[in-house]
Amino acid sequence: QKEVEQNSGPLSVPEGAIASLNCTYSDRVSQSFFWYRQYSGKSPELIMSIYSNGDKEDGRFTAQLNKASQYVSLLIRDSQPSDSATYLCAVKGWGGSQGNLIFGKGTKLSVKP
Amino acid sequence: GAVVSQHPSRVICKSGTSVKIECRSLDFQATTMFWYRQFPKQSLMLMATSNEGSKATYEQGVEKDKFLINHASLTLSTLTVTSAHPEDSSFYICSASSGVSTDTQYFGPGTRLTVL
Repeated sequence: QKEVEQNSGPLSVPEGAIASLNCTYSDRVSQSFFWYRQYSGKSPELIMSIYSNGDKEDGRFTAQLNKASQYVSLLIRDSQPSDSATYLCAVKGWGGSQGNLIFGKGTKLSVKP
Repeated sequence: GAVVSQHPSRVICKSGTSVKIECRSLDFQATTMFWYRQFPKQSLMLMATSNEGSKATYEQGVEKDKFLINHASLTLSTLTVTSAHPEDSSFYICSASSGVSTDTQYFGPGTRLTVL
């Protein structure tokens, strides 16, 4: 059973701080990794994708991938109250059924003004 | 770019009736569309994957005769919940992929189904 694990939180950080969200996955052949943001009652919105080991930065967001440790993280710098949401980690393998996204249960982030 | 729409956004129906949900990719051709279901405080659970012109591939435990999926064109997929029951009440979300190597999925806004 392929699994994606996330701490459910809530993770509470003050405005302006760095929020660090973590995710581990069980399938070693996973190739693509995604972070989605989901506001309450809304559908997921893609924030970042990462495919290679290392860091990938996009504005205030940095995704980090370590395939050897089967670990992917998302850093949010200068956190804003509008960043308060549930962050879903999703992992994708190769094609066919392995190409489907497997989602974690999400980490709820709360940014306090 | 990469906009996916869903209709309706919210539907309330009586037990035993059928409900059709549409998913459209507005600015790209979606070779593959996915249907997810999300119960409160739970993660997204994939129900089925559909490719244009082919039969949908259902995940284990999802009844294909109850959840009818049609992917008639590269921009439209429909999910019909037949003979809906209260336990089918959920948030149904579609996503679409253009099928290029990165295979990023773009999600529609979701449909909140309430079966009375």
